[in-house]
Amino acid sequence: NAGVMQNPRHLVRRRGQEARLRCSPMKGHSHVYWYRQLPEEGLKFMVYLQKENIIDESGMPKERFSAEFPKEGPSILRIQQVVRGDSAAYFCASSLGTDFNYGYTFGSGTRLTVV
Amino acid sequence: AQSVAQPEDQVNVAEGNPLTVKCTYSVSGNPYLFWYVQYPNRGLQFLLKYITGDNLVKGSYGFEAEFNKSQTSFHLKKPSALVSDSALYFCAVRTLSGGSYIPTFGRGTSLIVHP
Repeated sequence: NAGVMQNPRHLVRRRGQEARLRCSPMKGHSHVYWYRQLPEEGLKFMVYLQKENIIDESGMPKERFSAEFPKEGPSILRIQQVVRGDSAAYFCASSLGTDFNYGYTFGSGTRLTVV
Repeated sequence: AQSVAQPEDQVNVAEGNPLTVKCTYSVSGNPYLFWYVQYPNRGLQFLLKYITGDNLVKGSYGFEAEFNKSQTSFHLKKPSALVSDSALYFCAVRTLSGGSYIPTFGRGTSLIVHP
């Protein structure tokens, strides 16, 4: 079991470009959560998805950010027209279900740098 | 409001001494509480959780946490610190967001264990 896989590990984008971050959950997990980590701010919830559905996107900026978790393939967090303030570490976690007993498994993150 | 707080940005302790990393929470209903550890440039690793049962929860790497309902706290402890315990520690609590439960994290506490 390879755990939660995120790629790329590091991503450099120029201002105005698009950033696409991928997250493959653990085998059998159908719930994915995205978090952003900024220095001095801890982990901020962005979006919670199940296969083909966005369940809660209350933490995601209304503009430029989108997320999907298709029936096949990884979950994608897309940031359009990136700005310097988007520079951060982005983590995804997956779980087996909504019962908290299942717990959450985190990936190693994608570190986005906008130059 | 549902939240979790880690009042200390940094905790310093000498190797061999006991350590405590503090966490307080505010939720409605029964709290579901977690501790995670993050080593540099890595994702979050699960340490332990409290859902119900004994107030003292034992977890990975010799860590334990004490749930105190009257003080709404869930402090992380270890009897004898190791230099290798130096890392960023996150407390998390289940919160209700947009009709779904998600883990909400504190800002993190940097633990530094001195030789």
